[in-house]
Amino acid sequence: EAGVAQSPRYKIIEKRQSVAFWCNPISGHATLYWYQQILGQGPKLLIQFQNNGVVDDSQLPKDRFSAERLKGVDSTLKIQPAKLEDSAVYLCASSLSLLAGVRTDTQYFGPGTRLTVL
Amino acid sequence: SQKIEQNSEALNIQEGKTATLTCNYTNYSPAYLQWYRQDPGRGPVFLLLIRENEKEKRKERLKVTFDTTLKQSLFHITASQPADSATYLCAIRGSTLGRLYFGRGTQLTVWP
Repeated sequence: EAGVAQSPRYKIIEKRQSVAFWCNPISGHATLYWYQQILGQGPKLLIQFQNNGVVDDSQLPKDRFSAERLKGVDSTLKIQPAKLEDSAVYLCASSLSLLAGVRTDTQYFGPGTRLTVL
Repeated sequence: SQKIEQNSEALNIQEGKTATLTCNYTNYSPAYLQWYRQDPGRGPVFLLLIRENEKEKRKERLKVTFDTTLKQSLFHITASQPADSATYLCAIRGSTLGRLYFGRGTQLTVWP
């Protein structure tokens, strides 16, 4: 079974530039997550999709970050414009489903995209 | 405020010993707690899940305990090996749908 795919693996940009990350979840997984992991910290959830609908985006800085999951499969996370503090690893994860009553889903993570903002 | 604290940023032990990692939380009412392993340059990998009404879970050399009174989970690796060297993350899912909250992790090094 193929895992969660992410690209690019590394990205270096200057502040105020734009950047986009792509994620392809495990086939059949309805729930997709984007996390930000700053060096030395645990992952922090940015946004969560159930199919192509947003479940939780309360921690997404909406003035500069946006995400979409068209057709309920692949997802793109964009930052525009980037700030120095956005330097981090951006992790995508997927799980089977988050339907009411299913409370024991396991999240499968991709390798992440390491973003450096200069 | 809500906090997840993983005591000891780093833990160094000798091969063959038991590693014990601690996860304490405040102002959460977790439905369950998970432990993940993360190697450098990789995403976290799920290891174990323990529900709020469970005291202990085992999987091969791994054991997790969960004390909701103390608001603490302990993660044990018995007969540790150098290959167990990694960062171990504790994560809590609260009563709200979906969101996982992660601690900052404990870096375990097992030396021969």
